[in-house]
Amino acid sequence: NAGVMQNPRHLVRRRGQEARLRCSPMKGHSHVYWYRQLPEEGLKFMVYLQKENIIDESGMPKERFSAEFPKEGPSILRIQQVVRGDSAAYFCASSPLAGAQETQYFGPGTRLLVL
Amino acid sequence: AQSVSQHNHHVILSEAASLELGCNYSYGGTVNLFWYVQYPGQHLQLLLKYFSGDPLVKGIKGFEAEFIKSKFSFNLRKPSVQWSDTAEYFCYSHRGGGNKLTFGTGTQLKVEL
Repeated sequence: NAGVMQNPRHLVRRRGQEARLRCSPMKGHSHVYWYRQLPEEGLKFMVYLQKENIIDESGMPKERFSAEFPKEGPSILRIQQVVRGDSAAYFCASSPLAGAQETQYFGPGTRLLVL
Repeated sequence: AQSVSQHNHHVILSEAASLELGCNYSYGGTVNLFWYVQYPGQHLQLLLKYFSGDPLVKGIKGFEAEFIKSKFSFNLRKPSVQWSDTAEYFCYSHRGGGNKLTFGTGTQLKVEL
């Protein structure tokens, strides 16, 4: 059973470009979480999605960031008009069920560098 | 707002030394607590978790953590560390009844031979 997959592993963008980060959850998992880790900081929750629904996006910046988890295909975190401050590691996690007691399984992360 | 505090950002120990990493959470209601570990070059993975019941929980690789409600703490311990325990450790809380997920800032542990 493959783990959580994220691609690309490394992404370089120039200021103003768009970044699209993909996350394929573990087989059978329908809950996806996105986190951001800035240099010298811990992981910050961004958004929690189930298939076709955004459940909690309280950690998402109000502008330029969006996320989706379509019925088919991976979850996508999109950052429009990237700025240098968006440079970070973005981690995706998945769980089979909802609930505060569920273990999350993490992907390897995408390192975004904005030039 | 809910927060999780890890006061030790960098810890250096010699092999066989005992380990205790602090974790304090701010929320007073039901909270589910986890410790995750990230070994160099690897994914985050679960060490242990606490929901209810026995406040002393055992995890993988000889780790344990104790939930002390009166101190809002969930400290991670290991009696004797090994070089292979070198990693970054994250305390994490998931607030019951909601979707509030909060990681601590992490503690970098380096174990020297």
